[in-house]
Amino acid sequence: DSGVTQTPKHLITATGQRVTLRCSPRSGDLSVYWYQQSLDQGLQFLIQYYNGEERAKGNILERFSAQQFPDLHSELNLSSLELGDSALYFCASSLGGVGGYTFGSGTRLTVV
Amino acid sequence: EDQVTQSPEALRLQEGESSSLNCSYTVSGLRGLFWYRQDPGKGPEFLFTLYSAGEEKEKERLKATLTKKESFLHITAPKPEDSATYLCAVQDYGQNFVFGPGTRLSVLP
Repeated sequence: DSGVTQTPKHLITATGQRVTLRCSPRSGDLSVYWYQQSLDQGLQFLIQYYNGEERAKGNILERFSAQQFPDLHSELNLSSLELGDSALYFCASSLGGVGGYTFGSGTRLTVV
Repeated sequence: EDQVTQSPEALRLQEGESSSLNCSYTVSGLRGLFWYRQDPGKGPEFLFTLYSAGEEKEKERLKATLTKKESFLHITAPKPEDSATYLCAVQDYGQNFVFGPGTRLSVLP
């Protein structure tokens, strides 16, 4: 157990729907990062939050949004889902913005 | 823009056959280079951080080294349980964190 908790582990939904993925960072970590990993693709950085504020944005679609709450857990909202959004979504956390990240076990999203 | 490439894309080894994985990078200012191991369907697992050229880190059958342009992950006498995808990532002083595409390692018994 890495200490980073992601729920749900699996999600199957239809095109056009909206889903929310949840991440609880490792105790004491202030930064949360979201990554997408599609089949045969590397880890694509989506967005970073630090202590409740957006710190950095990567290749995140406008249909996707995220937030980090006062208790430091984070949610990634995916809307108007398309087949191509099917992927593993990972959350990672770190103390600040420096150093290695600790990853959760991911949420596997399947859009049908 | 920071870039990370890894070679080979895939590597098949016999158990006990030592080899090395390469990670080449270009970065504006290297804050750290990281190696991760990822098993299928799982999150990446942190292995090593290297901060400066000449630094080496070891863990069991793995040894990571760093030069100014590349890092190597040496695997000595691998076992089937070492089969995984090995990811390299760099972080610059702007705290940008970029992952390479990974090397898929298969160790056959």
